[in-house]
Amino acid sequence: AQSVTQLGSHVSVSEGALVLLRCNYSSSVPPYLFWYVQYPNQGLQLLLKYTTGATLVKGINGFEAEFKKSETSFHLTKPSAHMSDAAEYFCAVSDRDTPLVFGKGTRLSVIA
Amino acid sequence: DSGVTQTPKHLITATGQRVTLRCSPRSGDLSVYWYQQSLDQGLQFLIQYYNGEERAKGNILERFSAQQFPDLHSELNLSSLELGDSALYFCASSALRGGGNEQFFGPGTRLTVL
Repeated sequence: AQSVTQLGSHVSVSEGALVLLRCNYSSSVPPYLFWYVQYPNQGLQLLLKYTTGATLVKGINGFEAEFKKSETSFHLTKPSAHMSDAAEYFCAVSDRDTPLVFGKGTRLSVIA
Repeated sequence: DSGVTQTPKHLITATGQRVTLRCSPRSGDLSVYWYQQSLDQGLQFLIQYYNGEERAKGNILERFSAQQFPDLHSELNLSSLELGDSALYFCASSALRGGGNEQFFGPGTRLTVL
């Protein structure tokens, strides 16, 4: 069975600082990996995804993530945090035939 | 706006009752997924339909059922409601049925069981 662990239920950064949200996965087959963002009172929006190919994936709003098979990780980064980045972030894993399995989420706060 | 619509936005009901949540996928999407989001369980996959057929089942209780109609909209039926069923229920859609496809999420239906 697949699973996702997001380290840190709450991360707080200063505006302009590096954002790093950690995600480790478990999968017995080559995984597909996703990061979704959820703003208050809204549904989830896809930030980026990795299926095959280049391991460094660029997404919307300046976010990127790197698939590291040896570390079973897919951490999300952004060089400079903006106030509008404050939201809940979810890492998810699937494979060719299975639905998404989500982590418990990390709430990102950005301090002015 | 993801293109996925869900009705109603909010639902307040009593224990033991039955409710129906409705989802219209993005135009052209054949797959519909239902998720439950609660504080203690997080985001849990419930069930997936692809072009009218059940494709995958997750942590869906026997009191819950779903279907996808010929026009591709889907309904999630929750019966014999309990306090613990209070949650946000999301519908998502994707063009294809496989796991690697982007899912587009609706705004959710917030269910409160009193």
